[in-house]
Amino acid sequence: AQRVTQPEKLLSVFKGAPVELKCNYSYSGSPELFWYVQYSRQRLQLLLRHISRESIKGFTADLNKGETSFHLKKPFAQEEDSAMYYCALGTGGGNKLTFGTGTQLKVEL
Amino acid sequence: KAGVTQTPRYLIKTRGQQVTLSCSPISGHRSVSWYQQTPGQGLQFLFEYFSETQRNKGNFPGRFSGRQFSNSRSEMNVSTLELGDSALYLCASGQGVTGELFFGEGSRLTVL
Repeated sequence: AQRVTQPEKLLSVFKGAPVELKCNYSYSGSPELFWYVQYSRQRLQLLLRHISRESIKGFTADLNKGETSFHLKKPFAQEEDSAMYYCALGTGGGNKLTFGTGTQLKVEL
Repeated sequence: KAGVTQTPRYLIKTRGQQVTLSCSPISGHRSVSWYQQTPGQGLQFLFEYFSETQRNKGNFPGRFSGRQFSNSRSEMNVSTLELGDSALYLCASGQGVTGELFFGEGSRLTVL
């Protein structure tokens, strides 16, 4: 069965410091990985997906099939990055996603 | 474009009752998915509908059911409510790109 693990419930960093939100997955097939973000009082929204290999709001994520990881990184954290981040795994055949339990990122001044 | 709209936003039911939640997707989106969010289990996939057909189903009991209409609007129903069904139920619509979902604000169900 597919599984997504986000080991940190809370990650606190200072403004300007690098950020790395960890995500590991378990899936025997070809995975599709996503990062979703929920800012305070806003809806859950897509941040980025591995297939597009793009940088959104300074965030990047690389799929490492050998380590079954899809960590989210940003070189310099900003206050507006404070939010809940969810890693999600798509297993093909539609929009069924398996979400991790989320990491609350807090950027302190 | 209007976002995904869910109604009602809040509701309180008692054990044994049933509830119906509604979701209007973004115009043009044919896929509608439902998720249950609880503090203990996080976000769990319930089911997905595409062009009125259930395309995927999660691991929930048969008390949880859904349907989609020809205009892509979707409803989910929970029968014989249990205390553990208290949760935020999120609806998400998608166009064609797998995994690119647009979420609603959710319907918060409290079962007493």
